[in-house]
Amino acid sequence: DGGITQSPKYLFRKEGQNVTLSCEQNLNHDAMYWYRQDPGQGLRLIYYSQIVNDFQKGDIAEGYSVSREKKESFPLTVTSAQKNPTAFYLCASSIGGNRRRLFFGEGSRLTVL
Amino acid sequence: QKEVEQNSGPLSVPEGAIASLNCTYSDRGSQSFFWYRQYSGKSPELIMSIYSNGDKEDGRFTAQLNKASQYVSLLIRDSQPSDSATYLCAPTLNRDDKIIFGKGTRLHILP
Repeated sequence: DGGITQSPKYLFRKEGQNVTLSCEQNLNHDAMYWYRQDPGQGLRLIYYSQIVNDFQKGDIAEGYSVSREKKESFPLTVTSAQKNPTAFYLCASSIGGNRRRLFFGEGSRLTVL
Repeated sequence: QKEVEQNSGPLSVPEGAIASLNCTYSDRGSQSFFWYRQYSGKSPELIMSIYSNGDKEDGRFTAQLNKASQYVSLLIRDSQPSDSATYLCAPTLNRDDKIIFGKGTRLHILP
């Protein structure tokens, strides 16, 4: 089945550690996205990528990094510079273009101990 | 001015009534509009899309768009307890692939 796979589903991290969240899609979508969601809040855009080897900062990129070496993959690294990383992270993809809707993964819940 | 604004709620609606959810957006370049539903602890799922001014109906859901007023709404008829969720509005632009969401409206259907 086509879709988006995020891993791990749950992740615990000690302060000062970098962690990488995986996002893989087999939908052949050009655009991929990372969002952060805090309890009771909406989705805030961290980074997005429209094509391989290119990505743009969203509204809350500080303390995060991404890469887009393959069309199928868009990993997110939460660095130690991110002061409050505990959140629910959602990866999404879209076909791009005029009427693009988002397809979401199941999310990764990161907790900093 | 926030890019996408929604009343955070909670919006409480009796079962069987009509739930009305509203969204305003600031970028006049917005061309496509999407409503997503998100259950607690889950990822969002698309329930409606609308591209032209006017109404678009799909089952119990109706999306309404007024580009001149920069306003899009979602009506849910015959509300069911399973409609209790957070509803997210997401306008999209033609000029790039950036997609910003509103904060979402929490809807609670009262049995």
